[in-house]
Amino acid sequence: DTEVTQTPKHLVMGMTNKKSLKCEQHMGHRAMYWYKQKAKKPPELMFVYSYEKLSINESVPSRFSPECPNSSLLNLHLHALQPEDSALYLCASSQGEGVSTDTQYFGPGTRLTVL
Amino acid sequence: QKEVEQDPGPLSVPEGAIVSLNCTYSNSAFQYFMWYRQYSRKGPELLMYTYSSGNKEDGRFTAQVDKSSKYISLFIRDSQPSDSATYLCAMMDSSYKLIFGSGTRLLVRP
Repeated sequence: DTEVTQTPKHLVMGMTNKKSLKCEQHMGHRAMYWYKQKAKKPPELMFVYSYEKLSINESVPSRFSPECPNSSLLNLHLHALQPEDSALYLCASSQGEGVSTDTQYFGPGTRLTVL
Repeated sequence: QKEVEQDPGPLSVPEGAIVSLNCTYSNSAFQYFMWYRQYSRKGPELLMYTYSSGNKEDGRFTAQVDKSSKYISLFIRDSQPSDSATYLCAMMDSSYKLIFGSGTRLLVRP
């Protein structure tokens, strides 16, 4: 099973709202990732969690706040977003940083629209 | 210069054709090479993964890596309309971060 699940599939929010995106995997992976993908562009890395600790923050604005409650779950808390933050948000997981065969498996994404 | 260059296409071929998708890269530290397929409005799906120069085959797909030329390819034999998607090459450097190409849109005409 190489499934990463994400909820919700679609989200529409106003600039003053607070919402959260959720990601789950049951592959025993110890690294989890958030990516942002704009239309016709490749995914851009936002955050990496390794063994439940934040290991990489790609200079993401503080209106995006990641959380890793346990090794299977990854959340992305959203607050005071801008219309330009509208995108497909992808979660991925892999066995763990430092593993030579560390391939990333992606979820289906959450399509976010900020009004 | 981008670290990974990939022709965005679109590439349009008739059903049954052999498709060749390519990426070039500049960072000799890249060790692992992947191809992802992404259908419209879906997440990327891992197709192939290689870590050495040479060929790797999986069904109708063959991944080829030439580290001396910093060039990777994905070949699709007997292409089908269901292969119509965006194909992303991706490479992993020593920090284990994935670096993506811009993606090639492929259209297989029935």
